[in-house]
Amino acid sequence: ETGVTQSPTHLIKTRGQQVTLRCSSQSGHNTVSWYQQALGQGPQFIFQYYREEENGRGNFPPRFSGLQFPNYSSELNVNALELDDSALYLCASSLDGGRARADTQYFGPGTRLTVL
Amino acid sequence: LAKTTQPISMDSYEGQEVNITCSHNNIATNDYITWYQQFPSQGPRFIIQGYKTKVTNEVASLFIPADRKSSTLSLPRVSLSDTAVYYCLVVTSGGSYIPTFGRGTSLIVHP
Repeated sequence: ETGVTQSPTHLIKTRGQQVTLRCSSQSGHNTVSWYQQALGQGPQFIFQYYREEENGRGNFPPRFSGLQFPNYSSELNVNALELDDSALYLCASSLDGGRARADTQYFGPGTRLTVL
Repeated sequence: LAKTTQPISMDSYEGQEVNITCSHNNIATNDYITWYQQFPSQGPRFIIQGYKTKVTNEVASLFIPADRKSSTLSLPRVSLSDTAVYYCLVVTSGGSYIPTFGRGTSLIVHP
């Protein structure tokens, strides 16, 4: 069984640029959630994709967008990067998304994004 | 949203039992309570999940009173490797899937 993987591990961008982060879900999982974690804070939910459809969204502006592919891997895109976007971006996969309140999420190692 | 409140930090010693309590006063009927553990620069790791009463697995126990307005994660006989941040999570029902992590509890286990 393959766990959740994310790429790249680290990334440095400048303000105003665009970035794409990638996530491969755990084998058998059809749901991917994305989180932003600033230093010293808990993960903040960005959005979730369930079977290629957005299934919920947190309080993030539209410049944060996502995509889920037929193989259930996913991308997080952030446009017009701001300094405050510097954070650890976490991807989590689960078996059946928000359909099940007892949804257990399996997290990847994260991508550390630094915006200069 | 079902907001959670946990102590910011706790200290313990190897071999002791640690209990971390989480308050979630406006938990909804169909919500489950889930606890995660996170080490620095890693993603959170699932520990345990429950709905009511008591749940136990190989690493922890979860106690949930009848009113479900709080829950307590119990770690038996902690070791240095249990030093981590522990998050209590309640997924809010209400049309959209919006899990809310708090700031978590930083547990430091001393020799």
